[in-house]
Order: sequence, then C-alpha cells, then structure tokens
Amino acid sequence: DAGVIQSPRHEVTEMGQEVTLRCKPISGHNSLFWYRQTMMRGLELLIYFNNNVPIDDSGMPEDRFSAKMPNASFSTLKIQPSEPRDSAVYFCASSLTSYEQYFGPGTRLTVT
Amino acid sequence: GIQVEQSPPDLILQEGANSTLRCNFSDSVNNLQWFHQNPWGQLINLFYIPSGTKQNGRLSATTVATERYSLLYISSSQTTDSGVYFCAVEPSFISNDYKLSFGAGTTVTVRA
Repeated sequence: DAGVIQSPRHEVTEMGQEVTLRCKPISGHNSLFWYRQTMMRGLELLIYFNNNVPIDDSGMPEDRFSAKMPNASFSTLKIQPSEPRDSAVYFCASSLTSYEQYFGPGTRLTVT
Repeated sequence: GIQVEQSPPDLILQEGANSTLRCNFSDSVNNLQWFHQNPWGQLINLFYIPSGTKQNGRLSATTVATERYSLLYISSSQTTDSGVYFCAVEPSFISNDYKLSFGAGTTVTVRA
C-alpha cells in the first residue's frame, strides 16, 4: 500500500492567492482528517470526514478555509485568499473508523 | 474535551540508555495511539494501544485504561530515536466522534 498521498509537498505562494492541497487516503479507509501543525499551536485538527461526509469542521479557522471530499479516494483543502499566518505544515490522515490513523507526509505551505 | 498530558516535555539521552515516556488522559478512551515525529517532520505510527501491552523491537507500550495512563518505553536508545513523541486519544464518551486529541509531545534527543 502506498500510504496516504499528499500533494504538493511544498507550496510557496503570495498573500491573496488561492491554495489547494490534495490528499489521497489509504484504500479502504472511510475516515479522513486534515490537520495543521505550527510551532506556536502544535497539531490542530481542522476538519474530518466519515464516509465522505464532513462530520466536524469546528477546527477550520475561518471562512477562507474549505474542504471537500467528492469521493472515497480524494479530498482537497482550499485556502482563498491565503495569508502569511496560514503558513504551516498541513497533514492529511486516514483511518478505518475508530482505528489507527495514518498520516501523509504533509504539505509545507509558505505564504509570503 | 478530554485532556491529554505528556511527560516529561523534554528528554536528553545518551545512546544506549533506556527511557519511559508517560501519557495521562482525563477520561475513558476508545483509541490511543503513539506517534513519532522524526526530525524531517514525518509522523510515524508506533502503536495502536487502547489497552494492554505491545512490543515492537526496542519499543514497547503499555496502556492501563482503568487508571487512564499509557507508557512508552524506549530501550537501548539510538540517535534515530530522536524526535517528538506524541500520544493521541479518542474519547469514548462521545458517540460518532472519531477524532484524536493530541498531547503536547515529548521531545527526545539521543546523543551519540
């Protein structure tokens, strides 16, 4: 199994631009999670899906952030417009409900 | 929400030494995982251990669910063990809520 796949691995963009992060979960997993990690705030859960349905988006910082899961094998996290304070590492993770979560390699986002 | 406390916050070891990391949680859990975040930022699953004891090479873990704590043992530490160790739990008192709550982590530095 290839594990959780994220793209891009690194993204550098200018303030105000739209950013789209992509995630392919492990085949057969039915839960998908988006996290953000910064030095100041540590690891934060942004949103998670179960069977492609958003269950809890209370961690999404503001309306500039949106996430979709159109099918069981793909999810996106979009930031529009991006701001410098959005700079962080964004992780996607997947699991079979209530079992082990497996993390992808992360996307390092830098907004200048 | 559930509280997850890890100790110690920092640990410096000489190569070959043994150590114990602790995770205390404030309520009953369905899921408990230990992760290692290596110096390159990858989050690697170590154990899925809501209860009992498991071993994997030089690492082992024990969770005493009734007393709400888990221990991670590192034996004969190596420099590759350096990084941050996270404990994460899924509370069992909230149905249909599969998200993990992470502790702040223990930063381990193994010196040659």
